[in-house]
Amino acid sequence: ETGVTQSPTHLIKTRGQQVTLRCSSQSGHNTVSWYQQALGQGPQFIFQYYREEENGRGNFPPRFSGLQFPNYSSELNVNALELDDSALYLCASSQGGGDSSYEQYFGPGTRLTVT
Amino acid sequence: AQTVTQSQPEMSVQEAETVTLSCTYDTSESDYYLFWYKQPPSRQMILVIRQEAYKQQNATENRFSVNFQKAAKSFSLKISDSQLGDAAMYFCAYSRFADKLIFGTGTRLQVFP
Repeated sequence: ETGVTQSPTHLIKTRGQQVTLRCSSQSGHNTVSWYQQALGQGPQFIFQYYREEENGRGNFPPRFSGLQFPNYSSELNVNALELDDSALYLCASSQGGGDSSYEQYFGPGTRLTVT
Repeated sequence: AQTVTQSQPEMSVQEAETVTLSCTYDTSESDYYLFWYKQPPSRQMILVIRQEAYKQQNATENRFSVNFQKAAKSFSLKISDSQLGDAAMYFCAYSRFADKLIFGTGTRLQVFP
């Protein structure tokens, strides 16, 4: 069973640029959630994708957008980067729908630094 | 809106001893899930234990157990026989079924030999 993977591990971008982060879900999982974790804080929910459709969104501006592909992998895109976007971005996969356990399994994260 | 509060920013314990991490939450829902996640310096969030709100019995996973008090909206984590590898940030989290996790601010646990 393959766990959740994320790429890249680290990323440095300049304010105003755009970035794409990638996540491969755990085998058998159809739901991907993205979280932003600022230094010293708990993760904050960005959005969730279930079977390629957005299934809930946290309090993040529209410049945070996402996609889920038919193989259930996912991308997080952030446009017009701001200094406050510097954080650890975590992806979590789960088996949503039906009689699921609702447990989310996390990837190792992508550390984004905006200068 | 649901909230999760962890009032202990840091805790420490001697190896082989027992430690309890506190968590309170606020919700108007009757059905929900509660979780404890561990985040070591490697950053990967690891699920430690899960509790369904409809179950009265407290969840247990090896050395980890919870004290779930639904009326008080309290969900503490007890780690028995603490090991050096238990040192990490511990996050309490709330979820309504399969949607978003709402996390507390975390408790840093140090384990001394």
